[in-house]
Amino acid sequence: NAGVTQTPKFRVLKTGQSMTLLCAQDMNHEYMYWYRQDPGMGLRLIHYSVGEGTTAKGEVPDGYNVSRLKKQNFLLGLESAAPSQTSVYFCASTSPASGTDTQYFGPGTRLTVL
Amino acid sequence: SQKIEQNSEALNIQEGKTATLTCNYTNYSPAYLQWYRQDPGRGPVFLLLIRENEKEKRKERLKVTFDTTLKQSLFHITASQPADSATYLCALGGWASYDKVIFGPGTSLSVIP
Repeated sequence: NAGVTQTPKFRVLKTGQSMTLLCAQDMNHEYMYWYRQDPGMGLRLIHYSVGEGTTAKGEVPDGYNVSRLKKQNFLLGLESAAPSQTSVYFCASTSPASGTDTQYFGPGTRLTVL
Repeated sequence: SQKIEQNSEALNIQEGKTATLTCNYTNYSPAYLQWYRQDPGRGPVFLLLIRENEKEKRKERLKVTFDTTLKQSLFHITASQPADSATYLCALGGWASYDKVIFGPGTSLSVIP
């Protein structure tokens, strides 16, 4: 049981390049989330999904797109990276049936945009 | 909009003492409040949840209180150890299962041997 995994762990992009971050969970959770974490600002929600094939915008969605084609995977895309997207990105998942609303987080992806 | 504030500065305490972290919120009536621990370079890990109708929750050396009148939660670590050094995040959850959880900025705790 690996929990939540994220790929890649580190990435350096040039302004204007694109990339996709992959999140996978093996806990059969319905809900999945993408956050970014910046110093002093805490975790901010980018996009989330409450089920396969559904996605919704969070607090800071601009410049990002997501897809959830399979229940266990949640992809975050940057179409044209900007230096303001330099951050640490965390994926999380939860099951509303758990009763504790616990979010299980991945190890994070550190992204630098030059 | 909703706002969550935690201890603005890092907290340094002596080993064996009780650490108390504060989480204050405004413009929100959460159904529950959670505390997470985050170590450098890693994702947050869930510690405790307390619901709006509960005053206090305990788990081993951890104690959480929740005062919905003051809009405040206190997180206590008794008999603190250097291994407790980490950043602690509070998070507020809504009433519907699809409500998003809102995280505070975190408080860095250092337990000095």
